Amino acid sequence: DAGVIQSPRHEVTEMGQEVTLRCKPISGHNSLFWYRQTMMRGLELLIYFNNNVPIDDSGMPEDRFSAKMPNASFSTLKIQPSEPRDSAVYFCASSLVGGAWNEQFFGPGTRLTVL
Amino acid sequence: QKEVEQNSGPLSVPEGAIASLNCTYSDRGSQSFFWYRQYSGKSPELIMSIYSNGDKEDGRFTAQLNKASQYVSLLIRDSQPSDSATYLCAGGFNTDKLIFGTGTRLQVFP
Repeated sequence: DAGVIQSPRHEVTEMGQEVTLRCKPISGHNSLFWYRQTMMRGLELLIYFNNNVPIDDSGMPEDRFSAKMPNASFSTLKIQPSEPRDSAVYFCASSLVGGAWNEQFFGPGTRLTVL
Repeated sequence: QKEVEQNSGPLSVPEGAIASLNCTYSDRGSQSFFWYRQYSGKSPELIMSIYSNGDKEDGRFTAQLNKASQYVSLLIRDSQPSDSATYLCAGGFNTDKLIFGTGTRLQVFP
C-alpha cells in the first residue's frame, strides 16, 4: 500500500513567488497534518484537517500561508508571497482517525529553498 | 504550554550495546506517546507507540512509560550502526495534535 505522497520533493524559488506543495494521504486515513522542520525550530505543526475540515491552524505562521483539503485524497499548502525564512522541509502526515491516540505516518517531505 | 523535552545528544554507544533514549513531558493529562526515527535527509518513521504505564517490546526496541514521573524512554538492544539516526519523542495530550521533542541524535560506532 502506498504511503503518504508529496510533491514536489524539492522546490527552489525566488522571494516573492507563489509556492504550492501537494499531499496525498494514505487511502482511508481521515486526518491530515502539515508540518515544517528546520534546524532552529525542529518539527512544527502548521495545520491539520479531520475529514477534510481544518481543525487547528494556530501553527500557520502568517497570512502568507494557506492550506486546503478539497477532498479526502488531496491537500495543498500554499505560500504567497514566499520569503527566504520560509526555507525548510515541509512534511505532510496522515492518521487513520482524529485524536492523539492514533499514529501519524509521514510523507517524504518537500525541501523548499527560497532565494 | 504542553512540552516534550529530550536531550539533543549526540548519544554515542558501541555496536552491540543498549542505547537508552529519554523523554520528559510537562502535562499529566497525556494519553499517548510515540517514538519516531529520522535518518538524515529523510522523514520521521514511526517505530513505537505506547499508551499505558509499563513496558512495550517490539523486536530490539522497548518503550517504557511512567506517567507518575512524566517520563518515557526507548531502549534499543544490540545497537547497530544502522540505528544511527535522530529519535523524536512525541506526546498526544488529549487533542488531535502531537507535540514533538527536538530529538536525540544517536551514534552507534563499530
